[in-house]
Amino acid sequence: QVQLQQSGPGLVKPSQTLSLTCAISGDSVSSKSVAWNWIRQSPSRGLEWLGRTYYRSKWSNDYAVSVKSRITINPDTSKNRFSLQLNSVTPEDTAVYYCARSADIVAGAVAFDFWGQGTLVTVSS
Amino acid sequence: QSVLTQPPSASGTPGQRVTISCSGSSSNIGSNIVNWYQQLPGTAPKFLIYSNNQRPSGVPDRFSGSKSGTSASLAISGLQSEDEADYYCAAWDDSLNGHWLFGGGTKLTVL
Repeated sequence: QVQLQQSGPGLVKPSQTLSLTCAISGDSVSSKSVAWNWIRQSPSRGLEWLGRTYYRSKWSNDYAVSVKSRITINPDTSKNRFSLQLNSVTPEDTAVYYCARSADIVAGAVAFDFWGQGTLVTVSS
Repeated sequence: QSVLTQPPSASGTPGQRVTISCSGSSSNIGSNIVNWYQQLPGTAPKFLIYSNNQRPSGVPDRFSGSKSGTSASLAISGLQSEDEADYYCAAWDDSLNGHWLFGGGTKLTVL
């Protein structure tokens, strides 16, 4: 059974960097059949996919256009985890942040099948 | 503002059948599969339906999904009190180099 355990601060000051980590058990961050995602949820924006990292023959990232200039998602193979960094945050970045695995459940059918517990991050001075 | 449109609320009494719609466009639902997630209060979303109409193991057959053109639906039959939750559709969108989209969510109330 795959488990995702999130960690990171719940309060970030405006203009600073939001940093979260997602530790993986029951799978490998380097697995070639899955991707590792960050998703956030707020009352104003609903569920919003932020981006993903994945390994095939090399590491790749995809990011949502809305945060592309501010986001970095990195794998950490030594600790089997991945991280989110979101720069220059504003109060609009206040949300519950989730990490999630996306996998081919059957050929051509990708879904978020395992989720972290969620971290409420508040951007406030 | 979600590109996948869901009704904000739905309701039913125990034993009833309810449906929740999800409307998109040719770049998302029209060309890709739809997944559904259930979110109980204070918890992370849970994987409920994948590939339009398939249930992961452990999901009761009371839950079913369908897709036609640029719209999809989730149906819950034999409604139970524990089904009271928020439900979200999701689909990959091929525009803007590709990205995942979620619906705005439907809050289901069991009366």
